[in-house]
Amino acid sequence: KAGVTQTPRYLIKTRGQQVTLSCSPISGHRSVSWYQQTPGQGLQFLFEYFSETQRNKGNFPGRFSGRQFSNSRSEMNVSTLELGDSALYLCASRETTFTDTQYFGPGTRLTVL
Amino acid sequence: TQLLEQSPQFLSIQEGENLTVYCNSSSVFSSLQWYRQEPGEGPVLLVTVVTGGEVKKLKRLTFQFGDARKDSSLHITAAQPGDTGLYLCAGARTNAGKSTFGDGTTLTVKP
Repeated sequence: KAGVTQTPRYLIKTRGQQVTLSCSPISGHRSVSWYQQTPGQGLQFLFEYFSETQRNKGNFPGRFSGRQFSNSRSEMNVSTLELGDSALYLCASRETTFTDTQYFGPGTRLTVL
Repeated sequence: TQLLEQSPQFLSIQEGENLTVYCNSSSVFSSLQWYRQEPGEGPVLLVTVVTGGEVKKLKRLTFQFGDARKDSSLHITAAQPGDTGLYLCAGARTNAGKSTFGDGTTLTVKP
């Protein structure tokens, strides 16, 4: 079974731009979570989608948004990029929102100049 | 807020040495996961422990879940340079919707 895939793997943007990241979960998994990882803050939870509905949300500003499609694929959008948004963005999937174990994708490295 | 504290934060050892990484919390978890992450890549699942007191072995790695399901440990025997990486523990509570992650332990094994 194929793992979690994320595209693109690398992205360079400038301040003020917006960006959209994509995540395809493991086949059959309906829950997708997004995390931001930086050296100083570690792994920070952004939000989780299950059956096209946002189920949980972390403490991030409204510039960070997401959605999930009927095939469980998910996208994350960041508007008005700031330098501090530079990070590794990770997507994780699990069978349902009630399943404990998550499986991570390789991540998207976003650099904001 | 549920917190998971990992220790030590950094560990640098010689090839062949043994080591233990700890993951502690004041909260009870339904299960706990251990991941290993290499720079620029996503965390890779090593194990899930579910039952209090459970011990799982994966080659040279031994994972233990505390009896009260509040803590866990990862022991590596005869570490190798290929074990180098960031080790993360994550506690899950069924129906909570999200996992709590520790800050990680960065392990460097020198040849």
